[in-house]
Amino acid sequence: DGGITQSPKYLFRKEGQNVTLSCEQNLNHDAMYWYRQDPGQGLRLIYYSQIVNDFQKGDIAEGYSVSREKKESFPLTVTSAQKNPTAFYLCASSIAARSSYEQYFGPGTRLTVT
Amino acid sequence: AQTVTQSQPEMSVQEAETVTLSCTYDTSESDYYLFWYKQPPSRQMILVIRQEAYKQQNATENRFSVNFQKAAKSFSLKISDSQLGDAAMYFCAYRSRVHTGANSKLTFGKGITLSVRP
Repeated sequence: DGGITQSPKYLFRKEGQNVTLSCEQNLNHDAMYWYRQDPGQGLRLIYYSQIVNDFQKGDIAEGYSVSREKKESFPLTVTSAQKNPTAFYLCASSIAARSSYEQYFGPGTRLTVT
Repeated sequence: AQTVTQSQPEMSVQEAETVTLSCTYDTSESDYYLFWYKQPPSRQMILVIRQEAYKQQNATENRFSVNFQKAAKSFSLKISDSQLGDAAMYFCAYRSRVHTGANSKLTFGKGITLSVRP
């Protein structure tokens, strides 16, 4: 079955450590996105990528980094510079960045930093 | 910048009844897309329904329909014959029709938690 996988589902880290969240899709989608979800908040865009080897900052990119070396993979690194990293992180993809195409979401990763 | 507002944090509906979830948005654009996403307790985001702003006809998907009022910038979701499986958080989202760069992102409201009483 085609879809988006995110691993792990739950992730725990100590403060000051970098951590990388995985996002893989086998939908052959060009565009991929990372969103952050906090309680009582909608989803906010961290980074997006429209094509391999290219990515752009979203609304809340500070303290995060990404790479897009392969079409199917878009890992997100939460660095120690992110002041409040505990959150639920959702990865999404779409056929292209064209607005007529819906975004499909992965199951998410819950990151807890103590 | 576009904003999406969902002013009701929680709603409750009796099973088999109808419920309407409200959403308003602000934009200076004339052409765009609006979405309702459902997030059940599993936290998997699922697209419920989509509306193109240039279409006057309200979108429908089985028990789900929207009331799109472009002039009022209102986009409400009506769920008919509510089922226990409809219990979830519902997010309203906006996307520009212009597909370059950051305009491809979705702008979300804060969501509304819907509970269904048996």
